[in-house]
Amino acid sequence: AQKITQTQPGMFVQEKEAVTLDCTYDTSDQSYGLFWYKQPSSGEMIFLIYQGSYDEQNATEGRYSLNFQKARKSANLVISASQLGDSAMYFCAMRHSGSARQLTFGSGTQLTVLP
Amino acid sequence: EAGVAQSPRYKIIEKRQSVAFWCNPISGHATLYWYQQILGQGPKLLIQFQNNGVVDDSQLPKDRFSAERLKGVDSTLKIQPAKLEDSAVYLCASSLRSGDRVTDTQYFGPGTRLTVL
Repeated sequence: AQKITQTQPGMFVQEKEAVTLDCTYDTSDQSYGLFWYKQPSSGEMIFLIYQGSYDEQNATEGRYSLNFQKARKSANLVISASQLGDSAMYFCAMRHSGSARQLTFGSGTQLTVLP
Repeated sequence: EAGVAQSPRYKIIEKRQSVAFWCNPISGHATLYWYQQILGQGPKLLIQFQNNGVVDDSQLPKDRFSAERLKGVDSTLKIQPAKLEDSAVYLCASSLRSGDRVTDTQYFGPGTRLTVL
C-alpha cells in the first residue's frame, strides 16, 4: 500500500532562516509524483512544488526546493529565508500510477516562523 | 484566473439533518475531487469526477453521502443524514487533465467547515 510519512508534527524556525520539512514515502510503483501543499489557518490548500519520480533534477520554485532522494524514498521540502507568512500546515502528498489514482496525503507538519 | 470556488464556507447543523456543499472548479478543468479533512489529519479523497462521470468513489460512505457533477462543471456534495463524525472540512479540488497522470496538479478551494452538533 502507498503511504506518506511526515514525522515532524511541529517545527519552529527563526525568520530569515532556512527550514527542512521531512517526508518519506512508500510505493512499489516506478512512476509517481510527489507534491507539497501549504494550508494556512484559512483552510485553503495551496500547491507549492512538484517532483516526478523520473525527474533527475530536484524541483525548485522560488524559495521552495525539494530534496528528492529516490533510493531513500524521501522528498523533503526546503524553505529558504523563512517569512512570517510561511507559518502554516504543510502536507506532503503522492500520486501514483496504476488503478489507484488518488492523491495520498501525509499527516502534515505545523510550521511556526518566529520573529 | 479564478480559483476553485466553494460555498458555504461554514455550516453548523444538528445530527440527522441534511447539508449540501457546492463547488465550481477552475474553468476548463476536466477532473473534480471532493476531499474530507478531519481535524489534525491530511485530506482523504471521497469522490473523483472526470467531466460528469464518476472515476473513483470507493471511499464515499454511500449510505449517507452523495455527489453529482451535472454538465461536467460545478458539483454538489450532500450528506443525509449527518452524523457527529462528519464534522470536518470538505475540500473541493480540480485538475486540468484526466487525473490519470502522475503529473496532474490538483488545485484546491477554500473548503467548507462543517460542524455537526
